Amino acid sequence: GQQVMQIPQYQHVQEGEDFTTYCNSSTTLSNIQWYKQRPGGHPVFLIQLVKSGEVKKQKRLTFQFGEAKKNSSLHITATQTTDVGTYFCAVGNRDDKIIFGKGTRLHILP
Amino acid sequence: KAGVTQTPRYLIKTRGQQVTLSCSPISGHRSVSWYQQTPGQGLQFLFEYFSETQRNKGNFPGRFSGRQFSNSRSEMNVSTLELGDSALYLCASSWYSAGLRGEAFFGQGTRLTVV
Repeated sequence: GQQVMQIPQYQHVQEGEDFTTYCNSSTTLSNIQWYKQRPGGHPVFLIQLVKSGEVKKQKRLTFQFGEAKKNSSLHITATQTTDVGTYFCAVGNRDDKIIFGKGTRLHILP
Repeated sequence: KAGVTQTPRYLIKTRGQQVTLSCSPISGHRSVSWYQQTPGQGLQFLFEYFSETQRNKGNFPGRFSGRQFSNSRSEMNVSTLELGDSALYLCASSWYSAGLRGEAFFGQGTRLTVV
């Protein structure tokens, strides 16, 4: 079945440092979504990427979709304590199920 | 516009019992998906309902079942509870039409503890 690998599983960064999480698939994706889950909260939609090579920005967050549409990344510039949480990518498989990666948990050290 | 509502928020059950969780989607959303979230396994897809029909099913045993009503509200049931069923159960609703799907809106989840 569809597998999506998300790395790293955990990331500790000093406040102000940059952070990147990657999502990789063995098959070509039609689109990819990114979600953020704060500690004790529920996943909240951030963005959807559809086009090959697409790059979208939301303030300090930059999302990229690979040229082959098999991988994606989320980059946060100059992290802040409000960025703490787990970041998930989500992809649709052939059966139209939405499959989530295992997430990257981001810890910010003050 | 009200968000996705899940009830109850917390549940404690004993092994062997059964439990029913409820989810009310965002008005207008006919697709409702259920996920099990545990620390080690992340978000595991349980099933999806659309227009009262199960569209997709994950790799969970038959003890996990669900249904959807005509008003799009959905319930999931877990019978013969096991300790390993302790998890956060999340419901997500989205619009879905002609193969296109919008983003998932999640409820706050139901935290189930099996003792």
